[in-house]
Parts: sequence; structure tokens; C-alpha cells
Amino acid sequence: KAGVTQTPRYLIKTRGQQVTLSCSPISGHRSVSWYQQTPGQGLQFLFEYFSETQRNKGNFPGRFSGRQFSNSRSEMNVSTLELGDSALYLCASTFDPGVFGYTFGSGTRLTVV
Amino acid sequence: AQSVTQPDIHITVSEGASLELRCNYSYGATPYLFWYVQSPGQGLQLLLKYFSGDTLVQGIKGFEAEFKRSQSSFNLRKPSVHWSDAAEYFCAVALNNDMRFGAGTRLTVKP
Repeated sequence: KAGVTQTPRYLIKTRGQQVTLSCSPISGHRSVSWYQQTPGQGLQFLFEYFSETQRNKGNFPGRFSGRQFSNSRSEMNVSTLELGDSALYLCASTFDPGVFGYTFGSGTRLTVV
Repeated sequence: AQSVTQPDIHITVSEGASLELRCNYSYGATPYLFWYVQSPGQGLQLLLKYFSGDTLVQGIKGFEAEFKRSQSSFNLRKPSVHWSDAAEYFCAVALNNDMRFGAGTRLTVKP
């Protein structure tokens, strides 16, 4: 079966712009989480969605937002981009994070210039 | 506060040598425990997981991990490391649908 698909793989944006990243989970997975990975901060949890509802949220400013559609596909949006937002953004999906763990996509590499 | 700690940022082992990567957690209850591996430029791949029962769990690629409740630890082991095991390894814990990761341990394998 198809894995977790993230698009695009690479993005270059300018400070102040906004960006939308997309994630298609494995078929049947209703839980989708997003993580930001940087060399300095490691893997930081952004938020988790389940059945179109945000169930958990990490400690990120309101510029970071997300949503989940009825087909479980998810998007995350970052507004007013800052240089520090440059990172690998990883999406992961599961039936149940506590029981099965997550299956990760390959990520979207965002560079803010 | 809830936390996951991987004390070793970087470990170097010789090919064929044994490996142990450490992971400690601090949670009010025993969480679900996981180890993931990440190759450069890639997402994370699940190596193994622990929920309950036998405290020694087997995973893919010849890895195993042992859960020790008294030490709040979940260390990853491999008896004989291969050059292809060079990667970054992450310990993760999940509780109440919330999964958090340790800072990672980068493994270098010497020929």
C-alpha cells in the first residue's frame, strides 16, 4: 500500500510569505501529526489531527496552523515566514499513535531566505 | 514535566561490534515506547515498539530493546553493527495520543 505522501519535497520561500504543506496519510489512517525537525531543536511536535479535529498541539506560535479534511488528508500552513522556520517538516499517520506508532513521510524541506 | 532523554548525541562503533543506545523517559505513567531510525534526507522508520508484556522486544534489522521500569529506560541494542546501520536513532514515547521524541543519537560505523 502507498505510504505517507508529502508535497512538495522542497520549497524556497522569502521572509514574510506564507506557505502551505500537504500530507496524504496511509489509507485508513485517521490520525495525522506534524513535526518540525531542525539541527538545533531536533524533532518538535506541532499538532495532531484526528477525524478533522485538532486533538493535540505543541508549543508553536499561532503562525503555525493546520487542518484535516474528511478524507484524512492534512495541510499545515505557516504565515509570515521567518528565517528560523527553515526546517524539515515531517508528517506522520497512524490508526492509533499509542498502539501502532507512526508511519512517516519523507518530509518537506522548507528554506526561508 | 514529561521528557524523553537520549544522553548520547553521537556514538561511533566499529563494524561488527555491539551497540547500545540509551533512552530514558520521565512520565507520570508508563507510556508506549518506540525506537525510530532516520537516514539522511529521509523520514523516520519504526524499528520496534513496546506496549506491555515481555520487556525485551525484537524489531527489524536485527535490533532489540529492553524496557526497565525501575530505571525508566528503554535502551536499543544490536549484537553486531553493519555499516548500513549508520544513521540517526530516535527514542519516542506516546501517551494519550501524543508522541514525543528524544533529541536523537547519531551513529557512525567505522570500517
